[in-house]
Amino acid sequence: QVTLRESGPALVKPTQTLTLTCTFSGFSLSASGMCVSWIRQPPGKALEWLARIDWDDDKLYSTSLRTRLTISKDTSKNQVVLTMTNMGPVDAAKYYCARILKNDSGSYIFDYWGQGTLVTVSS
Amino acid sequence: SYDLTQPPSVSVSPGQTASITCSGDKLGDKYACWYQQKSGQSPVLLIYQDTKRPSGIPERFSGSNSGNTATLTISGTQAMDEADYYCQAWDSRSAFFGGGTKLTVL
Repeated sequence: QVTLRESGPALVKPTQTLTLTCTFSGFSLSASGMCVSWIRQPPGKALEWLARIDWDDDKLYSTSLRTRLTISKDTSKNQVVLTMTNMGPVDAAKYYCARILKNDSGSYIFDYWGQGTLVTVSS
Repeated sequence: SYDLTQPPSVSVSPGQTASITCSGDKLGDKYACWYQQKSGQSPVLLIYQDTKRPSGIPERFSGSNSGNTATLTISGTQAMDEADYYCQAWDSRSAFFGGGTKLTVL
């Protein structure tokens, strides 16, 4: 059974760095074709993809947020960490992590999602 | 950036067929996925690789993708299908989501 759980601060101050952890079970991020991604969703708004890390440590970032994001993995702990620098009010959102499976057709699929963690940005 | 455009809202009567479109430049050349998000819940994968349903997803959900438009079709819509629906595709090593469509079952 695949599960993912996001953790991190519920409140950050403007200009601070946000660090979120995705702890997962039911799969190994060292297995070929496995990836983990972060996605966020401001209240009442659409999903926005942030970053992806692959089994071979390839890392992809949203073009618009690339300079502020860092994604990393600890395979032994089954964790993926996302940091986002210089947080501002527009970054307030629910942050989700999701497993991505690369299938035999080369399609990358968000097949399991965590429950998300709500982050507020305020002084 | 790659824009995926969805209608903000679609209404359907119970038992009828609902169609939700997703438009993007040459979207038919990419794989489209669809996600359902009910109020207060996380997104759930409905359709992947344009037409495929994960196990556990009812047969009334189907997808197609050609030209510039991907379509999610819900046949025999039920009240429980009321939710937000998002399309998604990959372009140039980035994932993009549509703006979402709120499906109302009247």
